Formats: sequence, C-alpha cells, structure tokens
Amino acid sequence: QKEVEQDPGPLSVPEGAIVSLNCTYSNSAFQYFMWYRQYSRKGPELLMYTYSSGNKEDGRFTAQVDKSSKYISLFIRDSQPSDSATYLCAMSLTSYDKVIFGPGTSLSVIP
Amino acid sequence: NAGVTQTPKFQVLKTGQSMTLQCAQDMNHNSMYWYRQDPGMGLRLIYYSASEGTTDKGEVPNGYNVSRLNKREFSLRLESAAPSQTSVYFCASRGLALYEQYFGPGTRLTVT
Repeated sequence: QKEVEQDPGPLSVPEGAIVSLNCTYSNSAFQYFMWYRQYSRKGPELLMYTYSSGNKEDGRFTAQVDKSSKYISLFIRDSQPSDSATYLCAMSLTSYDKVIFGPGTSLSVIP
Repeated sequence: NAGVTQTPKFQVLKTGQSMTLQCAQDMNHNSMYWYRQDPGMGLRLIYYSASEGTTDKGEVPNGYNVSRLNKREFSLRLESAAPSQTSVYFCASRGLALYEQYFGPGTRLTVT
C-alpha cells in the first residue's frame, strides 16, 4: 500500500462547480497536511496547509483533515478556468521532516 | 529574489553518459530536496539535505549522488544515465521549522 493515495483523474467540471479533491494516507503519525497546485510544465506551489485535524478556509478554497479516517480533502467553490491544474496532497510528520506527496489529481475547469 | 533556480531546463543524454543538475536558492533556507516526477507516480524524493554538510537518501536514491556545496547550492549527479531516469527533476528548499517547500521550475531529462 502506498503511503499516500490520490485519485489521478482527470477530473473535468464546468465553470462555477464545486470541486472536491481527496487523499487517503496510511501513517497515522502525519501531523502536517498540505495541498500544492501545479500548472502544466511548472513547479508545484503551496496552496494551503493544515496542522492536525480540522478545517481551514482561504477564499474559495477549504482544506479538511479527518485524522480518525486518515482522509484529507480540498474543496474549491465557484471553480474558474484558472483553477485548471494538477493538485498534489502532501504530508509530513513534523514541520521540518521530509514531505510525502500523493500522485496528484488533474483538474480541468471548462468555461 | 529569484527563489529556487535550476539548470539546465532541458537535457538529452545517451545511455551511460553522466551529468550534473544544478540547484540554487537565495532564501537562506536550511533544507534542500531533489525530487523526480513521473506520470502517475507523483513527486518521489531522491535525496535531501536537512542542513549544510548533511545529505540523506530519500525514496529512490539508486543511480544518483548529491552534493550540498554550501547553504545555497545542492547538486544532483547522474554518473551513468539510464533510460529509466528519464523524468522531470525538481529541486526544492524549505526554511527552518517551516512547512512550505519552494520549488524550482524543473529540469526535463530524456535518456535515450
């Protein structure tokens, strides 16, 4: 079993839709959870992070962590064509430890 | 600030050739990382350096060597390239006790 699993997609939605992206993980010791966005032929950029369980909201983006289920989610409201990218979940044990990435979900938002 | 820079951007090698990928960061970060990204596999850690003078193996270190030349620079060397090393290589850096990694633009390597 891979340490972090993520549905690769591709996921295609119409503009304005609510998008739900998810990851599961196997190591219950993970404490830091991150979502990176990667545009085509670019390096990943941090979108959101969450420490331990709970929700975090930033504009149209909401990150959720459910440690009891070992499941994290990223919700995008009012999706825009500019949201079309690959979204990578990532997690680490501590704030200075190595980071383990999921394989990424490719998202296309159609105008 | 340039952030994280990588050279070259593209490279084609023949099997058995060697090359070094260069990475530099100007953010005074302690930790630096080398990843490879392949379709369906996500980012896999090759080597990392938690601080100047230290390096550690990641998930897929075979066929690679690294050098942390100073706090700014972290290079990745392929001694004898193989077609299985065809990939996109990303360098990243991270500040002390910070969660965010900053990535370079990547090097697209093809080994024929």
